[in-house]
Amino acid sequence: ETGVTQSPTHLIKTRGQQVTLRCSSQSGHNTVSWYQQALGQGPQFIFQYYREEENGRGNFPPRFSGLQFPNYSSELNVNALELDDSALYLCASSLGDAEDTQYFGPGTRLTVL
Amino acid sequence: AQKVTQAQTEISVVEKEDVTLDCVYETRDTTYYLFWYKQPPSGELVFLIRRNSFDEQNEISGRYSWNFQKSTSSFNFTITASQVVDSAVYFCALSDATDSWGKLQFGAGTQVVVTP
Repeated sequence: ETGVTQSPTHLIKTRGQQVTLRCSSQSGHNTVSWYQQALGQGPQFIFQYYREEENGRGNFPPRFSGLQFPNYSSELNVNALELDDSALYLCASSLGDAEDTQYFGPGTRLTVL
Repeated sequence: AQKVTQAQTEISVVEKEDVTLDCVYETRDTTYYLFWYKQPPSGELVFLIRRNSFDEQNEISGRYSWNFQKSTSSFNFTITASQVVDSAVYFCALSDATDSWGKLQFGAGTQVVVTP
């Protein structure tokens, strides 16, 4: 058990809708990272938050946005959903230093119809 | 450019055989970190091992061992005496200063199938 939880487990949306995915990090972990994993591929970095500020972003459009809260919870919001957004979304928490290991949650499986 | 290559798509073994997973990485940085994660069918990525670029000492941890060679930019991972519970997708990942620390660049993964 990593102590990282995500909700919901599964989600089905239709194209054009908006979705919010939630993550609860390990207590004391100031950094949360979000990844998108399409079927059969490795996870792709979306962005990272450190102490409630965005601290790096991957090659994802602005309709992917995030929030981090002081209570070690965070959100990933995706607007104007597209079919290609169907994937497993993983969050990972870490202490915040460069060498720290990221511990992953179980993921949210998003299906866009 | 930052890149991780796992050339093996799938490896099938019989229980108790050894399995070696290959990982080749590219980075321009002299300081970087390499990781192996396991993803069982449940989907959660499980951390296995981490090495930094200044420590090429190869180690053994239980049934896991790894071979880090900077000269060939390789970070291979071996499971000794495989078990059915080792069946999963294994990912090699790299973290360096490109874009930002904490951005893990993953390989495509290697599916390991262990049959009784």
